[in-house]
Amino acid sequence: EDQVTQSPEALRLQEGESSSLNCSYTVSGLRGLFWYRQDPGKGPEFLFTLYSAGEEKEKERLKATLTKKESFLHITAPKPEDSATYLCAVQAPNSGGSNYKLTFGKGTLLTVNP
Amino acid sequence: EAGVTQFPSHSVIEKGQTVTLRCDPISGHDNLYWYRRVMGKEIKFLLHFVKESKQDESGMPNNRFLAERTGGTYSTLKVQPAELEDSGVYFCASSLWSGQPQHFGDGTRLSIL
Repeated sequence: EDQVTQSPEALRLQEGESSSLNCSYTVSGLRGLFWYRQDPGKGPEFLFTLYSAGEEKEKERLKATLTKKESFLHITAPKPEDSATYLCAVQAPNSGGSNYKLTFGKGTLLTVNP
Repeated sequence: EAGVTQFPSHSVIEKGQTVTLRCDPISGHDNLYWYRRVMGKEIKFLLHFVKESKQDESGMPNNRFLAERTGGTYSTLKVQPAELEDSGVYFCASSLWSGQPQHFGDGTRLSIL
């Protein structure tokens, strides 16, 4: 069974203090790894997709990287508006190849203080 | 472009009653997914439609849950009869192709009393 573990569960940063969030995964074969941002009372908002080890994607202050066992979401010089829960999810094919469901981690609650 | 919309945003019902949740995907998206998050747990997959066909319903918890997508547009998820453990937030997502990023609605918060 596919598993996704995110750490830390919660992270408090001062504005401008860079850090990284971790997503470790166990799958039989990775089709894609997805990062989402979720604000309170809202649905997950898509950020990045990573497909193969070594791949990197960037968007403003966020940079996602992927290895064969884990992904990191690096946050550079965060601002208070970056405060949210960050979710990691994997998509892996089953033996029939028809599996497109996302398996989520529990998320990391990021708080950036001004 | 309008996003995924879900209705209602919040529903409170008593145990044993029936509730129907609705999801309108992004226009043109053939793939529609239902997920659920119960308190303290991660978001979990329920089922996947491609147009009007159920591609994968491996996450449906039991036969009290019925999902439909007549005509391949909007989808409904009916819970009948509702039990206390069905409480949670039900999310719908859609994508153009099966392997593309899934875009989520804001969910329906379901409370069973």
